[in-house]
Amino acid sequence: RKEVEQDPGPFNVPEGATVAFNCTYSNSASQSFFWYRQDCRKEPKLLMSVYSSGNEDGRFTAQLNRASQYISLLIRDSKLSDSATYLCVVEYGNKLVFGAGTILRVKS
Amino acid sequence: EPEVTQTPSHQVTQMGQEVILRCVPISNHLYFYWYRQILGQKVEFLVSFYNNEISEKSEIFDDQFSVERPDGSNFTLKIRSTKLEDSAMYFCASSGTGFSDDTQYFGPGTRLTVL
Repeated sequence: RKEVEQDPGPFNVPEGATVAFNCTYSNSASQSFFWYRQDCRKEPKLLMSVYSSGNEDGRFTAQLNRASQYISLLIRDSKLSDSATYLCVVEYGNKLVFGAGTILRVKS
Repeated sequence: EPEVTQTPSHQVTQMGQEVILRCVPISNHLYFYWYRQILGQKVEFLVSFYNNEISEKSEIFDDQFSVERPDGSNFTLKIRSTKLEDSAMYFCASSGTGFSDDTQYFGPGTRLTVL
């Protein structure tokens, strides 16, 4: 089983749509959870940390279910600028383990 | 806003040659990392470094790889004898304390092409 598993997509959505990404992880000892965003041939950039209580940052909402080892990201009112690869990331110790990413394409 | 910088942005080398990739982490950070991303694949952890020694390394980080903090600002990754399969984007990252919930900030990467 892959350490961090994501649906690779691509998700093709119109502007204004709501889109949800899911991720599962295999190591129950994982300590911290993140969503990073990566634009083509660029470095990963932190989008948001993910907490069991759920957290929201503007149009983005992240949720963690430790019992199911499941992480989600919801993007509301999609913008063209949201087009990118979204990386589910889990931390073990001080090392980050990345999923392969989910591609989002927002079209006008 | 402080940022991690990396040089060069692109390095082309011949198989068997040594390369050194350079990084300047965020100035007050204590933990430093190298990751790599082969084209079309996921980002993979290589090594973490703290207090002038390696704290963790992956299976990828074999004897051909080494890291060094030669002065108070630079953090380098050396590949002694490059192979074709070392072609990848190499990202340096740094974080403050290295404990959980401590964000790792990534540099823009060095694209290494081995011919």
